[in-house]
Amino acid sequence: EVQLVESGGGLVQPGGSLRLSCAASGFTFSSYWMSWVRQAPGKGLEWVANIKQDGSEKYYVDSVKGRFTISRDNAKNSLYLQMNSLRAEDTAVYYCARDSQLGGVYYFDYWGQGTLVTVSS
Amino acid sequence: EIVLTQSPATLSLSPGERATLSCRASQSVSSYLAWYQQKPGQAPRLLIYDASNRATGIPARFSGSGSGTDFTLTISSLEPEDFAVYYCQQRSNWWMYTFGQGTKLEIK
Repeated sequence: EVQLVESGGGLVQPGGSLRLSCAASGFTFSSYWMSWVRQAPGKGLEWVANIKQDGSEKYYVDSVKGRFTISRDNAKNSLYLQMNSLRAEDTAVYYCARDSQLGGVYYFDYWGQGTLVTVSS
Repeated sequence: EIVLTQSPATLSLSPGERATLSCRASQSVSSYLAWYQQKPGQAPRLLIYDASNRATGIPARFSGSGSGTDFTLTISSLEPEDFAVYYCQQRSNWWMYTFGQGTKLEIK
């Protein structure tokens, strides 16, 4: 059974840092692109970043470029999101999601339950 | 950047009725569009990919159609567990994903 379990969320002051983790199991982690997707309270979904199987390619939404860093450790079956210079607008539930090539392109076929990040003084 | 616009924002129907949700793209995405369902307090779940293919385990009452810029998610006969928020999603620039703003399907 595919499982994605996020951790590391919490309350942080504006300008602070936080590192999120996602533990993957039930599939060959090193064979998949992985993403972080967030959802602000009461709002829709926003893709944040993704990373290639070997970590050689990483992409970010413009609003987090230069502040967030996605990484992975295939030996530990883990995905990470280092978040620096946090702002109030980064407050959201952060989901770890598996990118799978289904049909023509990639989609998110498995999601974790999310971890809440609150940026507030 | 391709923008996805979903309509209506809220749809009020009764169990047993047919639901039709729309997603319009600002430019063609061919058939590369997905639909997700999200219930309160839960993660999204993939329902449909490539516009019309049901994901694993998704009931046959869910169907998707469309290509180019106009897409539709249809639920043929609503079950109580189908009341949720639905999002469309596409992948542009081959690495960037965008979502529609969502349609809330509520019990009338």
